[in-house]
Amino acid sequence: GQQVMQIPQYQHVQEGEDFTTYCNSSTTLSNIQWYKQRPGGHPVFLIQLVKSGEVKKQKRLTFQFGEAKKNSSLHITATQTTDVGTYFCAGPGRGSTLGRLYFGRGTQLTVWP
Amino acid sequence: SAVISQKPSRDICQRGTSLTIQCQVDSQVTMMFWYRQQPGQSLTLIATANQGSEATYESGFVIDKFPISRPNLTFSTLTVSNMSPEDSSIYLCSMEPRGLNTEAFFGQGTRLTVV
Repeated sequence: GQQVMQIPQYQHVQEGEDFTTYCNSSTTLSNIQWYKQRPGGHPVFLIQLVKSGEVKKQKRLTFQFGEAKKNSSLHITATQTTDVGTYFCAGPGRGSTLGRLYFGRGTQLTVWP
Repeated sequence: SAVISQKPSRDICQRGTSLTIQCQVDSQVTMMFWYRQQPGQSLTLIATANQGSEATYESGFVIDKFPISRPNLTFSTLTVSNMSPEDSSIYLCSMEPRGLNTEAFFGQGTRLTVV
């Protein structure tokens, strides 16, 4: 079946340190999306990457999509306590049904002040 | 941004009973989706709910356990039937994006505990 692998599962950092989470797919993805879920909350969309080799930035967050469109990464520079949460990547299912997503297992980020 | 209202937000249920979760969208959408998030785990797609036809279930999920209704283009329900403690999870609905390659909006989630 369709799989999106994500590592690491947990990451504990001191405030100010950087953080990176990685996703790999067994198949080529038409796009990859990233979501953040705060403790007790629901997933909130961060960004979507579509093009091979694409890099997008949102303030301290940098998102990359691999050349082969099979892997992606999210890098946070100088983490803050507000970055705490679980970060998920998600790829679309096969076929043309928009919104049908397969999620990575997520990386739970803890930031110590 | 879209608004999806999901209820109940949480419930504690006895094993063997059933719970129906509702999602209301603020605009008409063709596809809605139901996900399960077991404790400490990722989101797993349960089924795709298309208005006017039977829901399409992912591998490992069956209609008898998770019947879904989609009576109109703004509403859907998911029932968790004959519950056991293993069904304790967060259940989330989402809607199809409003364009090509755009974000999926999620309901607030239903935190279900089966005792």
